[in-house]
Amino acid sequence: GAGVSQSPSNKVTEKGKDVELRCDPISGHTALYWYRQSLGQGLEFLIYFQGNSAPDKSGLPSDRFSAERTGGSVSTLTIQRTQQEDSAVYLCASSLSENYEQYFGPGTRLTVT
Amino acid sequence: GESVGLHLPTLSVQEGDNSIINCAYSNSASDYFIWYKQESGKGPQFIIDIRSNMDKRQGQRVTVLLNKTVKHLSLQIAATQPGDSAVYFCAENPANAGGTSYGKLTFGQGTILTVHP
Repeated sequence: GAGVSQSPSNKVTEKGKDVELRCDPISGHTALYWYRQSLGQGLEFLIYFQGNSAPDKSGLPSDRFSAERTGGSVSTLTIQRTQQEDSAVYLCASSLSENYEQYFGPGTRLTVT
Repeated sequence: GESVGLHLPTLSVQEGDNSIINCAYSNSASDYFIWYKQESGKGPQFIIDIRSNMDKRQGQRVTVLLNKTVKHLSLQIAATQPGDSAVYFCAENPANAGGTSYGKLTFGQGTILTVHP
């Protein structure tokens, strides 16, 4: 079956521009997670959704970062006024419910020039 | 703060050898641990998991060992193959202050496994 998909796969943007990253989770998965992976580093938790609600936004680095989820499915991570330090791979994962195995998408590589 | 870390950043083995990748964790409240494999340009792929009420779990060619006394986790890969070459991450799911957890994972830095034919 279809796995987690993310778009775009690569995004190059100029400093100061806004970007939107999209995640399509596996159908039926109620839990959705966003992580960030900097070059050569492990994954850093950003935000967690259960359904359309985000009980934990504690990993969002600043108020320039926001995320939403609609219809209990697709999620969008928005970064406003991008900075060079935002350059990273942004990974989305979904699971059947919290505390179940997380399936990751291929990620979106964001480069801020 | 709490963290998950790896003892060895790189590991090189010959095809057919057994590989052992180690991980230390510091959050004694963690109740769920996972090993992921990440190939270049791809998202992490689930390998095996273990809950804190177990000390060993086996999968196909892989075994995870959990030592809660010393807060140590290891991944053993039997008969390592070139296709096993990747970065391996351990991750923990720490319980929150209320004693529940919801899948928020804390990842280690990763170990690069290189398998030589």
